[in-house]
Amino acid sequence: AQSVTQLGSHVSVSEGALVLLRCNYSSSVPPYLFWYVQYPNQGLQLLLKYTSAATLVKGINGFEAEFKKSETSFHLTKPSAHMSDAAEYFCAVSGAGGNEKLTFGTGTRLTIIP
Amino acid sequence: NAGVTQTPKFRILKIGQSMTLQCTQDMNHNYMYWYRQDPGMGLKLIYYSVGAGITDKGEVPNGYNVSRSTTEDFPLRLELAAPSQTSVYFCASKLSGNSYEQYFGPGTRLTVT
Repeated sequence: AQSVTQLGSHVSVSEGALVLLRCNYSSSVPPYLFWYVQYPNQGLQLLLKYTSAATLVKGINGFEAEFKKSETSFHLTKPSAHMSDAAEYFCAVSGAGGNEKLTFGTGTRLTIIP
Repeated sequence: NAGVTQTPKFRILKIGQSMTLQCTQDMNHNYMYWYRQDPGMGLKLIYYSVGAGITDKGEVPNGYNVSRSTTEDFPLRLELAAPSQTSVYFCASKLSGNSYEQYFGPGTRLTVT
């Protein structure tokens, strides 16, 4: 079984500051990990994914995440926040292989302070 | 391509009423999913399908039914609506078992009173 814990349901950062959204996972098998973004009144969009290749994964809109097995973490970062980054972010985990179902975290709402 | 479309966008139901949430994708994806999203709870999988004629339960299937008669359509049926089914419902699809990205529709906001 897999599970995901997102630390911090709300995060606020100033425009231009570092964005760090935390995700820790639990998995009984090698995990595949994902970050999704949800803009207001929209569906979810894939930001990036880790599928056992490079541990540092780059995604869209300048976001990246690093898979750290020793810490069971997959934190999302962006060096410089932009107003358009305001959204809700979900970390998700599945077992290795595309047939596995996704288990989502509870989400982190990111607010950007002008 | 329109991607994944869902209708209606909003709906208010009275307790005990029934309705069908529609989901259609035009990407020829084999896998389709229904999730519900409750505040502070993330997304929970209700039902999924790996191809036409094949469906299976997810984490929270009680009170719902699905069918998959075509590759494109995956409707979700609510029978005897209850206040606990007030939620935002998302449909998603992906190409195959070897692909990882799920594509999401814009959602249906349902209120049961």
